[in-house]
Amino acid sequence: DAGITQSPRHKVTETGTPVTLRCHQTENHRYMYWYRQDPGHGLRLIHYSYGVKDTDKGEVSDGYSVSRSKTEDFLLTLESATSSQTSVYFCAISESTGWETQYFGPGTRLLVL
Amino acid sequence: GESVGLHLPTLSVQEGDNSIINCAYSNSASDYFIWYKQESGKGPQFIIDIRSNMDKRQGQRVTVLLNKTVKHLSLQIAATQPGDSAVYFCAETPRMDSSYKLIFGSGTRLLVRP
Repeated sequence: DAGITQSPRHKVTETGTPVTLRCHQTENHRYMYWYRQDPGHGLRLIHYSYGVKDTDKGEVSDGYSVSRSKTEDFLLTLESATSSQTSVYFCAISESTGWETQYFGPGTRLLVL
Repeated sequence: GESVGLHLPTLSVQEGDNSIINCAYSNSASDYFIWYKQESGKGPQFIIDIRSNMDKRQGQRVTVLLNKTVKHLSLQIAATQPGDSAVYFCAETPRMDSSYKLIFGSGTRLLVRP
């Protein structure tokens, strides 16, 4: 998984609770991304980062926030989890952008009850 | 809106045969395309990519063909093996789009019969 780890790998939580997912990379890549994967929707971009403290929204950013205080770590926070946020979350990295491949982590399976 | 899609949601092939997975894209500004393989319970894995200034690119047992005239992308897998069973996604990125976003298709499931 290209030097990418995600934690936790599985989590069950209750509606209304905050949840933070962590992505850690050892590749020193500048760009990091958070996607969610749901049946019928494929992979959809939530937020991305183009450097330390530089982040921007993707197509499904409502209800999510991110932070990147170090090159190697990109955190995704669900401030108040909802059942619609039950999904598999993938982190990805790329060295730069444009014609650069994104490499994916192993994923975090989140269930919100 | 612009989209990347696949013709066949499920493809079943005999072990040893060649597989062809197709993908149609609608954004003529897209200039970089990637094929990913995703096994159950794992993240997408890069297979091969191609830029719009190319028509064909070959890797180990895989070939990607790009037909810009009809906006069609295909992945050919030679001598398909049981380990090739997975979901395959095509993805595109338009260089004009500064959001660094890959647009993914919905995926095709490849089943390899022994």
